[in-house]
Amino acid sequence: GAVVSQHPSWVICKSGTSVKIECRSLDFQATTMFWYRQFPKQSLMLMATSNEGSKATYEQGVEKDKFLINHASLTLSTLTVTSAHPEDSSFYICSAPTPTSPNYNEQFFGPGTRLTVL
Amino acid sequence: GENVEQHPSTLSVQEGDSAVIKCTYSDSASNYFPWYKQELGKGPQLIIDIRSNVGEKKDQRIAVTLNKTAKHFSLHITETQPEDSAVYFCAATSGGSYIPTFGRGTSLIVHP
Repeated sequence: GAVVSQHPSWVICKSGTSVKIECRSLDFQATTMFWYRQFPKQSLMLMATSNEGSKATYEQGVEKDKFLINHASLTLSTLTVTSAHPEDSSFYICSAPTPTSPNYNEQFFGPGTRLTVL
Repeated sequence: GENVEQHPSTLSVQEGDSAVIKCTYSDSASNYFPWYKQELGKGPQLIIDIRSNVGEKKDQRIAVTLNKTAKHFSLHITETQPEDSAVYFCAATSGGSYIPTFGRGTSLIVHP
């Protein structure tokens, strides 16, 4: 299947700093990517839809100034957690729809990024 | 919007037994139902999916069934192995959307 990578796989930062997480589609182009957040022992919560060449669409309750998304190319979307605080600590996962069957809704997920804010 | 219920939240079986996880959905427009396996500290991995025009699909030890009338679908794992231990998520997606609605997950534990 299609491969989606994330970098870094884990990051520890101090409160007040910003952290950038990259999501790449390795063997296909993705005009749309999705960012999820997952708390321990919980399901995935969609944060935003990243659109190549245009603004991201954020889900209700997600602060767009807090979680900056940039989708500057067809293979890369970035999520920047600005002025991170301990409550932002979580597992962040991106996904992209497979290009082989765009009408069939298939998505492939990245390996996730564990963010810990001290 | 779509609502997906998943049961049980935890399932413990002995190696070699079968495991069944059940999900229900609310939106009759949903037409794509993937199942994901998530191991600790990793992203979800698609293991099998089924579309609304099919009632059953099998891939080796894994099978999924769909009952559109009752709006429920199930994951069946036969001859479970310890490496099957993980959290499994069901999801439902409406036609034309890439965004799945996830169930709350089932933690499957396979005891050797």
